[in-house]
Amino acid sequence: GAGVSQSPRYKVAKRGQDVALRCDPISGHVSLFWYQQALGQGPEFLTYFQNEAQLDKSGLPSDRFFAERPEGSVSTLKIQRTQQEDSAVYLCASTKRVSSYEQYFGPGTRLTVT
Amino acid sequence: DQQVKQNSPSLSVQEGRISILNCDYTNSMFDYFLWYKKYPAEGPTFLISISSIKDKNEDGRFTVFLNKSAKHLSLHIVPSQPGDSAVYFCAASATMEYGNKLVFGAGTILRVKS
Repeated sequence: GAGVSQSPRYKVAKRGQDVALRCDPISGHVSLFWYQQALGQGPEFLTYFQNEAQLDKSGLPSDRFFAERPEGSVSTLKIQRTQQEDSAVYLCASTKRVSSYEQYFGPGTRLTVT
Repeated sequence: DQQVKQNSPSLSVQEGRISILNCDYTNSMFDYFLWYKKYPAEGPTFLISISSIKDKNEDGRFTVFLNKSAKHLSLHIVPSQPGDSAVYFCAASATMEYGNKLVFGAGTILRVKS
């Protein structure tokens, strides 16, 4: 069965470039989360979607970060004018129901800003 | 302000012995706790969870204990196997109206020696 997939797996960007990271959640999963994991740390919440609605974006670190899920399935996290501090692994997770706690994670996208 | 803390960055255990991983939290609103396991270059994988109305949950070799008064939980792995070597993350959630986002600790690297 297909799990959560993310692409690209690795991305190198020069400072100032824009990047787009894609997440394909498990089919039929209502909830989708984005997390940022810095080196040596645990994942930190960025934003949450229930179907196509972005209900919580309290974790986005700046207005350079933007996420969307226009049809309630695939989601894209966009980072504009990347900075070195944006270097991290970006993880996507999904759950079947809004009330679920156990989240299924993708493999992540490792972003390196040079 | 770290709401979930894993104070041991690493733990080394002999194969067949018990592994005990610890986690402390500060937010009294947390009512559900999870342990995730992570291998290099993969996303976190759900291992076991516990609701705040319980003090113990067991699944095969894995047992999670919750001490609400001390705001402490622990994961016991018995017997430990070399394949258990990974990074273990403790996570907590406060039930939300929508999307139960997870707050993670920094992780503990477990090495099981054969």
